[in-house]
Amino acid sequence: QKEVEQNSGPLSVPEGAIASLNCTYSDRGSQSFFWYRQYSGKSPELIMFIYSNGDKEDGRFTAQLNKASQYVSLLIRDSQPSDSATYLCAVSRDTGRRALTFGSGTRLQVQP
Amino acid sequence: SQTIHQWPATLVQPVGSPLSLECTVEGTSNPNLYWYRQAAGRGLQLLFYSVGIGQISSEVPQNLSASRPQDRQFILSSKKLLLSDSGFYLCAWRTRQTNTEAFFGQGTRLTVV
Repeated sequence: QKEVEQNSGPLSVPEGAIASLNCTYSDRGSQSFFWYRQYSGKSPELIMFIYSNGDKEDGRFTAQLNKASQYVSLLIRDSQPSDSATYLCAVSRDTGRRALTFGSGTRLQVQP
Repeated sequence: SQTIHQWPATLVQPVGSPLSLECTVEGTSNPNLYWYRQAAGRGLQLLFYSVGIGQISSEVPQNLSASRPQDRQFILSSKKLLLSDSGFYLCAWRTRQTNTEAFFGQGTRLTVV
Protein backbone atom coordinates (compact mmCIF):
# COMPACT_ATOMS: atom_id res chain seq x y z
CA GLN A 1 0.00 0.00 0.00
CA LYS A 2 1.31 3.42 -0.95
CA GLU A 3 1.72 5.90 1.87
CA VAL A 4 -0.17 8.60 -0.04
CA GLU A 5 -2.65 7.62 -2.72
CA GLN A 6 -4.16 9.74 -5.43
CA ASN A 7 -6.09 8.90 -8.55
CA SER A 8 -3.71 9.59 -11.42
CA GLY A 9 -6.48 10.89 -13.69
CA PRO A 10 -6.75 12.68 -15.94
CA LEU A 11 -9.68 14.41 -14.32
CA SER A 12 -11.45 16.42 -16.97
CA VAL A 13 -13.86 19.23 -16.05
CA PRO A 14 -15.41 22.02 -18.12
CA GLU A 15 -14.40 25.60 -17.55
CA GLY A 16 -16.33 27.15 -14.67
CA ALA A 17 -17.07 23.83 -12.98
CA ILE A 18 -15.85 22.57 -9.61
CA ALA A 19 -12.90 20.20 -9.69
CA SER A 20 -12.64 17.77 -6.80
CA LEU A 21 -9.32 16.11 -6.06
CA ASN A 22 -8.90 13.42 -3.42
CA CYS A 23 -6.07 11.93 -1.45
CA THR A 24 -5.79 9.25 1.23
CA TYR A 25 -2.81 8.56 3.47
CA SER A 26 -1.73 5.67 5.64
CA ASP A 27 0.34 7.26 8.43
CA ARG A 28 -2.03 8.14 11.28
CA GLY A 29 0.77 10.24 12.81
CA SER A 30 0.61 12.71 9.91
CA GLN A 31 0.01 16.23 11.14
CA SER A 32 0.46 18.56 8.18
CA PHE A 33 -1.16 18.26 4.79
CA PHE A 34 -0.29 20.00 1.56
CA TRP A 35 -1.59 20.49 -1.94
CA TYR A 36 0.89 21.51 -4.62
CA ARG A 37 0.24 22.38 -8.23
CA GLN A 38 2.87 21.35 -10.75
CA TYR A 39 2.91 22.46 -14.35
CA SER A 40 4.79 20.25 -16.78
CA GLY A 41 8.54 20.69 -16.38
CA LYS A 42 8.16 23.10 -13.46
CA SER A 43 8.70 22.96 -9.72
CA PRO A 44 5.73 22.25 -7.40
CA GLU A 45 3.94 25.36 -6.21
CA LEU A 46 2.22 25.31 -2.82
CA ILE A 47 -1.44 26.21 -3.13
CA MET A 48 -2.97 24.95 0.13
CA PHE A 49 -1.70 23.86 3.54
CA ILE A 50 -3.94 22.49 6.29
CA TYR A 51 -3.35 20.88 9.66
CA SER A 52 -6.72 20.99 11.44
CA ASN A 53 -9.77 18.91 10.69
CA GLY A 54 -12.36 20.68 8.61
CA ASP A 55 -12.25 23.09 5.72
CA LYS A 56 -9.78 25.80 4.81
CA GLU A 57 -10.62 28.24 2.05
CA ASP A 58 -8.30 30.46 0.03
CA GLY A 59 -9.85 32.17 -2.94
CA ARG A 60 -11.15 29.55 -5.35
CA PHE A 61 -9.47 26.74 -3.43
CA THR A 62 -10.84 24.79 -0.47
CA ALA A 63 -8.90 22.08 1.31
CA GLN A 64 -10.79 19.57 3.43
CA LEU A 65 -9.18 17.36 6.04
CA ASN A 66 -10.63 14.39 7.86
CA LYS A 67 -7.97 12.78 10.04
CA ALA A 68 -10.30 10.03 11.29
CA SER A 69 -10.83 8.86 7.72
CA GLN A 70 -7.24 9.72 6.70
CA TYR A 71 -8.57 11.73 3.82
CA VAL A 72 -7.66 15.09 2.30
CA SER A 73 -9.38 16.77 -0.60
CA LEU A 74 -9.01 19.88 -2.69
CA LEU A 75 -11.88 21.68 -4.34
CA ILE A 76 -11.25 24.18 -7.11
CA ARG A 77 -14.24 26.39 -7.83
CA ASP A 78 -14.80 28.16 -11.14
CA SER A 79 -12.08 26.05 -12.78
CA GLN A 80 -10.03 27.82 -15.43
CA PRO A 81 -7.94 26.38 -18.27
CA SER A 82 -4.90 27.76 -16.42
CA ASP A 83 -5.69 25.35 -13.58
CA SER A 84 -4.78 22.46 -15.87
CA ALA A 85 -1.81 20.86 -14.17
CA THR A 86 -0.85 17.95 -11.95
CA TYR A 87 -1.91 18.32 -8.33
CA LEU A 88 0.29 16.69 -5.73
CA CYS A 89 -0.94 15.75 -2.28
CA ALA A 90 1.68 15.54 0.47
CA VAL A 91 1.65 14.74 4.19
CA SER A 92 4.18 15.01 6.98
CA ARG A 93 4.70 14.51 10.65
CA ASP A 94 5.82 17.53 12.62
CA THR A 95 8.52 15.67 14.52
CA GLY A 96 11.81 14.18 13.43
CA ARG A 97 12.73 14.76 9.81
CA ARG A 98 9.44 16.54 9.04
CA ALA A 99 9.85 15.60 5.40
CA LEU A 100 6.89 15.55 3.07
CA THR A 101 5.67 12.27 1.59
CA PHE A 102 4.02 12.74 -1.78
CA GLY A 103 1.37 11.00 -3.77
CA SER A 104 1.96 10.46 -7.47
CA GLY A 105 -0.38 13.30 -8.38
CA THR A 106 -3.67 13.79 -10.20
CA ARG A 107 -3.62 15.37 -13.63
CA LEU A 108 -6.41 17.91 -14.04
CA GLN A 109 -7.61 19.09 -17.44
CA VAL A 110 -9.99 22.04 -17.60
CA GLN A 111 -11.74 22.15 -20.96
CA PRO A 112 -12.47 25.65 -22.37
CA SER B 1 10.66 37.19 2.71
CA GLN B 2 12.17 33.78 2.29
CA THR B 3 13.45 32.59 -1.06
CA ILE B 4 15.21 29.51 -2.30
CA HIS B 5 17.67 29.38 -5.17
CA GLN B 6 18.67 26.26 -6.99
CA TRP B 7 21.07 25.89 -9.88
CA PRO B 8 21.70 24.99 -12.59
CA ALA B 9 18.25 24.77 -14.16
CA THR B 10 19.26 22.13 -16.69
CA LEU B 11 22.24 19.87 -16.98
CA VAL B 12 23.34 17.22 -19.46
CA GLN B 13 26.13 15.03 -18.20
CA PRO B 14 27.83 11.89 -19.56
CA VAL B 15 27.72 8.63 -17.66
CA GLY B 16 30.58 8.42 -15.19
CA SER B 17 30.99 12.16 -14.79
CA PRO B 18 30.70 13.96 -11.42
CA LEU B 19 27.73 16.02 -10.30
CA SER B 20 27.26 19.01 -8.05
CA LEU B 21 23.90 20.73 -7.57
CA GLU B 22 23.57 23.63 -5.19
CA CYS B 23 20.69 25.11 -3.25
CA THR B 24 20.65 28.18 -1.02
CA VAL B 25 17.91 29.62 1.14
CA GLU B 26 17.54 33.29 2.04
CA GLY B 27 15.52 35.02 4.72
CA THR B 28 15.42 32.26 7.31
CA SER B 29 17.79 30.62 9.76
CA ASN B 30 18.34 27.02 10.69
CA PRO B 31 15.83 25.53 8.25
CA ASN B 32 15.27 21.87 7.55
CA LEU B 33 16.55 21.20 4.02
CA TYR B 34 15.58 18.42 1.64
CA TRP B 35 16.61 16.97 -1.72
CA TYR B 36 13.90 15.22 -3.74
CA ARG B 37 14.02 13.54 -7.13
CA GLN B 38 11.15 13.21 -9.54
CA ALA B 39 11.46 10.67 -12.33
CA ALA B 40 9.43 11.30 -15.48
CA GLY B 41 5.71 10.97 -14.76
CA ARG B 42 6.33 9.97 -11.16
CA GLY B 43 5.92 11.41 -7.70
CA LEU B 44 8.62 13.02 -5.61
CA GLN B 45 11.06 10.75 -3.85
CA LEU B 46 12.95 12.01 -0.80
CA LEU B 47 16.71 11.51 -1.21
CA PHE B 48 18.30 13.40 1.69
CA TYR B 49 17.34 15.69 4.51
CA SER B 50 19.30 17.86 6.88
CA VAL B 51 18.34 19.40 10.21
CA GLY B 52 21.58 21.35 10.65
CA ILE B 53 25.10 22.05 9.41
CA GLY B 54 26.92 18.82 8.68
CA GLN B 55 23.87 16.72 9.60
CA ILE B 56 22.75 14.64 6.63
CA SER B 57 20.36 11.71 6.55
CA SER B 58 19.93 9.51 3.51
CA GLU B 59 16.59 7.99 2.65
CA VAL B 60 17.50 5.92 -0.39
CA PRO B 61 20.72 3.97 -1.02
CA GLN B 62 22.34 5.26 -4.19
CA ASN B 63 25.51 6.75 -5.60
CA LEU B 64 24.50 10.25 -4.58
CA SER B 65 25.62 12.15 -1.50
CA ALA B 66 24.65 15.43 0.12
CA SER B 67 26.40 18.01 2.22
CA ARG B 68 25.43 21.09 4.21
CA PRO B 69 28.55 23.20 4.64
CA GLN B 70 26.63 26.28 5.78
CA ASP B 71 23.30 26.80 7.51
CA ARG B 72 21.45 27.79 4.36
CA GLN B 73 23.40 25.85 1.74
CA PHE B 74 22.63 22.31 0.62
CA ILE B 75 24.63 20.46 -2.02
CA LEU B 76 23.86 17.24 -3.88
CA SER B 77 26.83 15.40 -5.37
CA SER B 78 27.88 12.30 -7.19
CA LYS B 79 31.33 11.03 -8.07
CA LYS B 80 30.13 9.00 -11.07
CA LEU B 81 26.72 9.46 -12.61
CA LEU B 82 24.58 6.57 -13.83
CA LEU B 83 21.91 6.67 -16.52
CA SER B 84 19.35 6.01 -13.77
CA ASP B 85 20.32 9.28 -12.07
CA SER B 86 18.44 11.23 -14.73
CA GLY B 87 15.47 13.14 -13.36
CA PHE B 88 14.19 16.38 -11.94
CA TYR B 89 15.99 17.30 -8.72
CA LEU B 90 14.26 19.57 -6.28
CA CYS B 91 15.55 21.28 -3.17
CA ALA B 92 13.04 22.21 -0.47
CA TRP B 93 13.11 23.97 2.86
CA ARG B 94 10.91 24.14 5.90
CA THR B 95 11.20 26.00 9.18
CA ARG B 96 11.61 24.13 12.47
CA GLN B 97 8.25 25.35 13.78
CA THR B 98 5.30 23.02 13.76
CA ASN B 99 2.47 23.36 11.29
CA THR B 100 4.47 25.23 8.68
CA GLU B 101 4.66 25.08 4.93
CA ALA B 102 7.41 23.63 2.78
CA PHE B 103 8.71 25.42 -0.30
CA PHE B 104 10.60 24.20 -3.33
CA GLY B 105 13.36 25.62 -5.47
CA GLN B 106 13.07 25.90 -9.23
CA GLY B 107 14.53 22.45 -9.78
CA THR B 108 17.33 21.03 -11.91
CA ARG B 109 16.56 18.86 -14.91
CA LEU B 110 19.42 16.36 -15.11
CA THR B 111 19.88 14.18 -18.16
CA VAL B 112 22.64 11.59 -18.03
CA VAL B 113 23.71 10.47 -21.50
